[in-house]
Amino acid sequence: DAGVTQSPTHLIKTRGQQVTLRCSPKSGHDTVSWYQQALGQGPQFIFQYYEEEERQRGNFPDRFSGHQFPNYSSELNVNALLLGDSALYLCASSNTGVYQPQHFGDGTRLSIL
Amino acid sequence: AQTVTQSQPEMSVQEAETVTLSCTYDTSENNYYLFWYKQPPSRQMILVIRQEAYKQQNATENRFSVNFQKAAKSFSLKISDSQLGDTAMYFCAFLNYGGSQGNLIFGKGTKLSVKP
Repeated sequence: DAGVTQSPTHLIKTRGQQVTLRCSPKSGHDTVSWYQQALGQGPQFIFQYYEEEERQRGNFPDRFSGHQFPNYSSELNVNALLLGDSALYLCASSNTGVYQPQHFGDGTRLSIL
Repeated sequence: AQTVTQSQPEMSVQEAETVTLSCTYDTSENNYYLFWYKQPPSRQMILVIRQEAYKQQNATENRFSVNFQKAAKSFSLKISDSQLGDTAMYFCAFLNYGGSQGNLIFGKGTKLSVKP
């Protein structure tokens, strides 16, 4: 039973570029959440997708956008990259309903030069 | 807004000994969940233990247990018989029971080193 998978593992971009990160949820899960973890910090909630809609969003600018596909996989897009976007981006999946535990992937390390 | 505070940036413990990691939180909600996550160098966030706020009994998972003090808004993690594999970052996290499942709020973490 595959867990949450994220790609790529590591990515290097330059300021102003755009990036797309991908996440496949754990089998049987229908909800995907994205978090940004800056170096030495705890993860911060970006947004959550369910039924291909953004259900909730954290305090992140519109440069951060996402998508969920019919197979429940998800993408995180970041436009006009800033140096401060350098971080580990974590994807977590779960089932909807009264609290279901979130399962995290290994993350994508994004470095901005 | 809810906040989670971990006041110990780093801790170390000898193998086989017991260590306690501290966490305090601030919320005006009455129903919520609290969690401890472990993040080893492999980066994957692993759920260690969870506590529902309406339960007075402290949660226990094998060598891991919590001391949940709702009135004091304190949620500490005790690791007994520490093992080398326990070396990792530990994050305390909060989830509002009535809110979306996505909005986990994390503390800044405590780096735990288990020494042989």
